[in-house]
Amino acid sequence: NAGVTQTPKFQVLKTGQSMTLQCAQDMNHEYMSWYRQDPGMGLRLIHYSVGAGITDQGEVPNGYNVSRSTTEDFPLRLLSAAPSQTSVYFCASRTGVGYTFGSGTRLTVV
Amino acid sequence: EDQVTQSPEALRLQEGESSSLNCSYTVSGLRGLFWYRQDPGKGPEFLFTLYSAGEEKEKERLKATLTKKESFLHITAPKPEDSATYLCAVQAQGTGGFKTIFGAGTRLFVKA
Repeated sequence: NAGVTQTPKFQVLKTGQSMTLQCAQDMNHEYMSWYRQDPGMGLRLIHYSVGAGITDQGEVPNGYNVSRSTTEDFPLRLLSAAPSQTSVYFCASRTGVGYTFGSGTRLTVV
Repeated sequence: EDQVTQSPEALRLQEGESSSLNCSYTVSGLRGLFWYRQDPGKGPEFLFTLYSAGEEKEKERLKATLTKKESFLHITAPKPEDSATYLCAVQAQGTGGFKTIFGAGTRLFVKA
């Protein structure tokens, strides 16, 4: 039982490049979400999904896209990377009592 | 505005020196308060959920308590392996559903 798996663990992008951060869970959770974590700030919600085919924006959605074609997968796409998107990104799925987080992707945009 | 504030930002303890971490919140329609532990380079790991004032939860050297305005994470006789960042999160009623707000965390260092 792997839980929530994120790839890659590290990534360096040039400004303007696009990429997809992958997230997969094997717990059959309907709710999945993407957060970013920046120094001195709490985790901030980017996008979330309550089930396959259903997504919605969180607190900081600009510059990011998501889709949910299956229960297991919830990829996050950066459309045109900017230095302000340098951060650590976490994918999470939720049970009734709390979130299960992936190990994160550390993204640097230069 | 809904807000979650954790204090202190950082806490340095000697092994065996008990202390408490604070999480104060101002939200409308509290549905639950969560505590997580985060080790460097890893994702947060779920510790506790508290739902109502007066509730307490314990796990090994950790005990979480909840009032109407704040939660405390008490650490009794800590060991170096308790060193981590502890995150508090509040789930509250929002427009069109509910929302979860995370605090910035308290970094705990326990020295042998």
